[in-house]
Amino acid sequence: AQKITQTQPGMFVQEKEAVTLDCTYDTSDQSYGLFWYKQPSSGEMIFLIYQGSYDEQNATEGRYSLNFQKARKSANLVISASQLGDSAMYFCAMIAIKAAGNKLTFGGGTRVLVKP
Amino acid sequence: DTGVSQDPRHKITKRGQNVTFRCDPISEHNRLYWYRQTLGQGPEFLTYFQNEAQLEKSRLLSDRFSAERPKGSFSTLEIQRTEQGDSAMYLCAINQGLAVDEQFFGPGTRLTVL
Repeated sequence: AQKITQTQPGMFVQEKEAVTLDCTYDTSDQSYGLFWYKQPSSGEMIFLIYQGSYDEQNATEGRYSLNFQKARKSANLVISASQLGDSAMYFCAMIAIKAAGNKLTFGGGTRVLVKP
Repeated sequence: DTGVSQDPRHKITKRGQNVTFRCDPISEHNRLYWYRQTLGQGPEFLTYFQNEAQLEKSRLLSDRFSAERPKGSFSTLEIQRTEQGDSAMYLCAINQGLAVDEQFFGPGTRLTVL
């Protein structure tokens, strides 16, 4: 069984500043993947970034970076230079990497509001 | 554009009615997933297809729910005798990653049961 915990229900961040969203996970699988998704008020889930459990380097995608600390079982998302359009719900999710059927397990989400 | 469309985007129905949602990937993808998201929660897995075969179903998928993927392309999710507790966003996702099952979501169907 897998579990994702996001302890921050909501956060305010000043425009142009960086923000870190916390995510801890629990799994007995040796090989797994961690994801972050963004969900604006319109409802669609937008893929942001992926980190594999055996990846030695932290993943980065533009202004998004994933701070992966395997021993602590944490996969925090860092958004640099926040923009007003970053206001949304953010979900951390994981999969167990198997031959097939890699269903996602999501956390409860963190709502980010960027202030001008 | 994730390459997945869903129809309808919004559905309002009365309790006891049947509803059907459709998920259309633009191109062929082996795996197709359905998730349900209730207000204030993260999405929860419902079921997934490998081509036309439904290989896994969550315990959330009661007998009133049925999903199909008849030709291995589009998929439908039907809810019979809807209940107010079925009100949620229903999300379809496809895998596009080669090495890892990176999943990309459609815009979702928001269901409201009155």
